[in-house]
Amino acid sequence: GEDVEQSLFLSVREGDSSVINCTYTDSSSTYLYWYKQEPGAGLQLLTYIFSNMDMKQDQRLTVLLNKKDKHLSLRIADTQTGDSAIYFCAEQADSWGKLQFGAGTQVVVTP
Amino acid sequence: DARVTQTPRHKVTEMGQEVTMRCQPILGHNTVFWYRQTMMQGLELLAYFRNRAPLDDSGMPKDRFSAEMPDATLATLKIQPSEPRDSAVYFCASGSGPLGETQYFGPGTRLLVL
Repeated sequence: GEDVEQSLFLSVREGDSSVINCTYTDSSSTYLYWYKQEPGAGLQLLTYIFSNMDMKQDQRLTVLLNKKDKHLSLRIADTQTGDSAIYFCAEQADSWGKLQFGAGTQVVVTP
Repeated sequence: DARVTQTPRHKVTEMGQEVTMRCQPILGHNTVFWYRQTMMQGLELLAYFRNRAPLDDSGMPKDRFSAEMPDATLATLKIQPSEPRDSAVYFCASGSGPLGETQYFGPGTRLLVL
């Protein structure tokens, strides 16, 4: 996962916005993804963005993509306790659908 | 609603025993991935298939691991013989999109090898 880097931990207060950042290396990646993993569960696809887009919004989630800096971020508005989880950033790694995942960011939401 | 299923959900076995994990991909998905997740190594890709043919299994220890897709509705991952260092959560994911790049994960098989 060294090609995709994320900070390991984020603490946020309930009701605030969370911003999770990710940097990737492959400028030819067509898609970039955010997955959520709750304790004891599999990875849940949250959202993805096509590389020719700068922004994608889906309800409380906003994805921003800066291709020049190879930087991807996920903003969660009005963060809730149910948003506590590990969030993984991933980039498309080959033409067959292989993904390169980051190490994950543990998000803890405090009351 | 369509989802990836995996069996068993939990497995405890003794070192040296064979372990078989099964995955049913989402109907219509033609790309299947096997991952292993541990605290130390994070998420590792073991192998993946497209249209039932193996594309890449370089992430898998070849001497003890094998992955197959007997048909489009079943993928298997076998470990023989199992070792304590194989203890991990094993995830299967199936892919949609032109390249199978949008992956949907199963709930995982939690394996403990004693």
